[in-house]
Amino acid sequence: GIQVEQSPPDLILQEGANSTLRCNFSDSVNNLQWFHQNPWGQLINLFYIPSGTKQNGRLSATTVATERYSLLYISSSQTTDSGVYFCAVRARGGGATNKLIFGTGTLLAVQP
Amino acid sequence: GAGVSQSPSNKVTEKGKDVELRCDPISGHTALYWYRQRLGQGLEFLIYFQGNSAPDKSGLPSDRFSAERTGESVSTLTIQRTQQEDSAVYLCASSLFSYNEQFFGPGTRLTVL
Repeated sequence: GIQVEQSPPDLILQEGANSTLRCNFSDSVNNLQWFHQNPWGQLINLFYIPSGTKQNGRLSATTVATERYSLLYISSSQTTDSGVYFCAVRARGGGATNKLIFGTGTLLAVQP
Repeated sequence: GAGVSQSPSNKVTEKGKDVELRCDPISGHTALYWYRQRLGQGLEFLIYFQGNSAPDKSGLPSDRFSAERTGESVSTLTIQRTQQEDSAVYLCASSLFSYNEQFFGPGTRLTVL
């Protein structure tokens, strides 16, 4: 099955710093989502981005589907950005492939 | 409701007991998914429902796990004869159709003693 790898596995930032999180996937996808899991465990949707670039405030994401990777940019980080960031993909293909395959996540800690 | 809701938020049970977890998807969403998240790990797919089609049960770890969905509304995940390795957070998600963005509920934290 499709493999999803995220890097770095963990990251410590000072408040105000910028960062880039990466997601590599091993096969063609027709859905890619970025999530932020806050310290209370809630998964918050950040981007639905199977291809192209999107921006939402201090966050932006780019997916290059042909090269099988996606990047999540966090600018001017805040302590509330702390948590785990997951990339999840839905493999292209028919049949029972509607599940999301999750990466192992990037644990981000933003220090004041 | 505004989002996916799940109940209970926490469940502590003894090994060997049966448990039922409930999920209320976003109104109008035809697709519903169950995932499991073990401590410190990513999410793993369990089961998927789409309308009146046969569910995709390919992620269920054993025959102790089963799930039902009534039409395009509530779903229940049942774990029979719980084991300690079943301890995890069980998350439900829904999407408008199967190929759309998935939205997750807050999860049910299951602890098997």
